[in-house]
Amino acid sequence: AQKVTQAQTEISVVEKEDVTLDCVYETRDTTYYLFWYKQPPSGELVFLIRRNSFDEQNEISGRYSWNFQKSTSSFNFTITASQVVDSAVYFCALSEATSARQLTFGSGTQLTVLP
Amino acid sequence: SAVISQKPSRDICQRGTSLTIQCQVDSQVTMMFWYRQQPGQSLTLIATANQGSEATYESGFVIDKFPISRPNLTFSTLTVSNMSPEDSSIYLCSVRLDTITEAFFGQGTRLTVV
Repeated sequence: AQKVTQAQTEISVVEKEDVTLDCVYETRDTTYYLFWYKQPPSGELVFLIRRNSFDEQNEISGRYSWNFQKSTSSFNFTITASQVVDSAVYFCALSEATSARQLTFGSGTQLTVLP
Repeated sequence: SAVISQKPSRDICQRGTSLTIQCQVDSQVTMMFWYRQQPGQSLTLIATANQGSEATYESGFVIDKFPISRPNLTFSTLTVSNMSPEDSSIYLCSVRLDTITEAFFGQGTRLTVV
């Protein structure tokens, strides 16, 4: 069965600090997809990134970067020079190629960026 | 991509009543998903709504409590029946166009049962 663990329940940083959100996953499939979503206080889910199991290349998008390591089953998310607007709940999610397209979500990490 | 319109966006309901949530997608999709997000919690899949067949429910969720309709490839409803305060949650509709790309979500329905 698939499982996603986000051990950090809450993180608080001061603006301009870097912060890394951890995500560890479990799956028996060799083909799977990993995602990060942001949920601001308004409640909608904002898609951030998708990574497939065959692509271990790290990715950078502006202040965001993602580190995918199959050896440790981790897909960590780093925000550089954090801003108050980054305050939200961040979810890591997993989808197996053999599943019926639904996503399994981690428990989420509440990030608070203080001014 | 897909744009999902979900309504109502929020509601306050009396216990014992039912609420039907609507989800409209701007393109035809074979599968639609309904999630529940209890306060401060993660998203939990309630059921998968398939057009032309009964919904497939996850463990812990039953059709009598959460009946789902899927009359066509762009629309679905979720009813929360005989509500109790424990049903207070955000309910989200979601679609995924294939097994590779990301899932798209509606804005969510924030339900409070008093």
